Amino acid sequence: YDLTQPPSVSVSPGQTARITCSGNVLPKQYAHWYQQKPGQAPVLVILKDSERPSGIPERFSGSRSGTTVTLTISGVQAEDEADYYCQSAQSSGTYTWVIFGGGTKLAV
Amino acid sequence: EVQLVESGGGLVQPGGSLRLSCAASRFTFSGYWLSWVRQAPGKGLEWVANIKQDGSEKFYADSVRGRFTISRDNAKNSLYLQMNSLRAEDTAVYYCAKGIWFGECFESWGQGTLVTVSS
Repeated sequence: YDLTQPPSVSVSPGQTARITCSGNVLPKQYAHWYQQKPGQAPVLVILKDSERPSGIPERFSGSRSGTTVTLTISGVQAEDEADYYCQSAQSSGTYTWVIFGGGTKLAV
Repeated sequence: EVQLVESGGGLVQPGGSLRLSCAASRFTFSGYWLSWVRQAPGKGLEWVANIKQDGSEKFYADSVRGRFTISRDNAKNSLYLQMNSLRAEDTAVYYCAKGIWFGECFESWGQGTLVTVSS
């Protein structure tokens, strides 16, 4: 994967979870984050590094530092247990393709 | 609320073909990039292809370029994926997704359709 995520993160309810995503493309491209629960389609939780879509709880936030972006979930709840994927894009000339990280399983 | 409903999945033999469809509603279909994203059983997400609003630009993952073709019919609010020369490694749930930010971010997703390539 061109975007590297830790395979798993474990936190207790009420704690803060931080999931990182690293890649050389990240200083030049936005990153987006998706939550996927078992048997369900992914849901966009953060776009353009740090914007929260309508309907996503305020406890979800995103940040960037150099080649790493971070999804932070403050006051983690049991319902936040899911797989989380970062996603960005790469371009070469006029060709653009989308890339995903390998995913991080958040255990609560 | 945006609706994206995929169909056309099923069991196909290696080397065979399949055409997936995605019926969209509750948004201005012709105003958005659209994509196909797949997920092999127990694996992560893999982008497959995307298409610009008017169909003038199409991009593909290396793993499917030359075998898969993405298309759309704005009059029918429908997205398609023609899959030829299918391989076992194409086995996955295929999701249709509505794109924003030049199609590089997936704002809404369908529930997916399962494609199984096996003899």
